[in-house]
Amino acid sequence: GAGVSQTPSNKVTEKGKYVELRCDPISGHTALYWYRQSLGQGPEFLIYFQGTGAADDSGLPNDRFFAVRPEGSVSTLKIQRTERGDSAVYLCASSGQGSTDTQYFGPGTRLTVL
Amino acid sequence: GESVGLHLPTLSVQEGDNSIINCAYSNSASDYFIWYKQESGKGPQFIIDIRSNMDKRQGQRVTVLLNKTVKHLSLQIAATQPGDSAVYFCAERSYGKLTFGQGTILTVHP
Repeated sequence: GAGVSQTPSNKVTEKGKYVELRCDPISGHTALYWYRQSLGQGPEFLIYFQGTGAADDSGLPNDRFFAVRPEGSVSTLKIQRTERGDSAVYLCASSGQGSTDTQYFGPGTRLTVL
Repeated sequence: GESVGLHLPTLSVQEGDNSIINCAYSNSASDYFIWYKQESGKGPQFIIDIRSNMDKRQGQRVTVLLNKTVKHLSLQIAATQPGDSAVYFCAERSYGKLTFGQGTILTVHP
């Protein structure tokens, strides 16, 4: 079956611009996660959705970052007033039963802020 | 605080050898420990996990060992193949959130 998909695969933007990154989870998965991975590092947790609600957003670095999942399926990560330090690969994962199930990752969106 | 780290950043082996990748963790409250494989330009791929109340779990060519006394996790890959070359991350899960280590680069020489 189809795995987690993310669009775009690459995004180049200028400092100060607004960006949106999209994640399509595995069909039927109720839990969705966003992580950020810097070069040479492991992924870092940003936010976790169970259904439509954010169950844990403790990893969002500041109020420039926001994520939504209005219908409990597709999620969008939104970054306002981008900074060069936001450059990273943004990974999305989904799991079937919530916090106790295996997380399957998408290919990521590589964000470059010039 | 929570942290997961790896002892060895790189590991080179010959095809057919067994590989062992190690990881240390500090959060005793984690309920699962997981190994992921990540190839260049791709997202992490699930390999195997182990529940915190277990000490060993085997999969196809892989075995994960958990030593809670010294807070140590290892991944053993039998008969390593060139296709196993990748970065391997250990991760611990607590209330759904994964905390990853830095990663070990495994290179398999034919």
